[in-house]
Amino acid sequence: QKEVEQDPGPLSVPEGAIVSLNCTYSNSAFQYFMWYRQYSRKGPELLMYTYSSGNKEDGRFTAQVDKSSKYISLFIRDSQPSDSATYLCAMSARHNFNKFYFGSGTKLNVKP
Amino acid sequence: DGGITQSPKYLFRKEGQNVTLSCEQNLNHDAMYWYRQDPGQGLRLIYYSQIVNDFQKGDIAEGYSVSREKKESFPLTVTSAQKNPTAFYLCASKGGTIDTEAFFGQGTRLTVV
Repeated sequence: QKEVEQDPGPLSVPEGAIVSLNCTYSNSAFQYFMWYRQYSRKGPELLMYTYSSGNKEDGRFTAQVDKSSKYISLFIRDSQPSDSATYLCAMSARHNFNKFYFGSGTKLNVKP
Repeated sequence: DGGITQSPKYLFRKEGQNVTLSCEQNLNHDAMYWYRQDPGQGLRLIYYSQIVNDFQKGDIAEGYSVSREKKESFPLTVTSAQKNPTAFYLCASKGGTIDTEAFFGQGTRLTVV
């Protein structure tokens, strides 16, 4: 079983829709959770960084962590065609915070 | 501007050759990483280094080698022992505290011809 599971998609939505992207994980030691956006043939860029449980909001993006269920989510409101990319979740544990575990990525397509 | 620079962007290798991918950062980060990305498989860790002159194997280190002689540089050599080297290679770096993010370079696409 992989440490981090992520639905690969592709996920296709109309412009303006609310998008929900999710990851599940098996290691209860994970405490730091990240979402990266990767455009085709580019390096990933960090969108959101959260610690432990709870929500964090940044503009149209909301990151949610549920440690009891080992489940994290990224919500995108009012999705735009420019949001079309692959979204990667990543996580690390306090005792080895320099080692990251990545999901396989979800490809999102926002149609105009 | 601060950031991570990977070069070259595209690299072609003949079978049996060793090639070296460059990664340089001017962010003064202690930790540096090399990942391999294949379609549908996400990022797989090849090697990482938390300090100069020290590095650890990741999940798929066989057929690869690295060095960390300077803080700002972490080159990756893909040796002839790597049986399936065609992939997109990403370098990343991270600051030395828990709450700092990892920054990625723009990647090198290696193709075996």
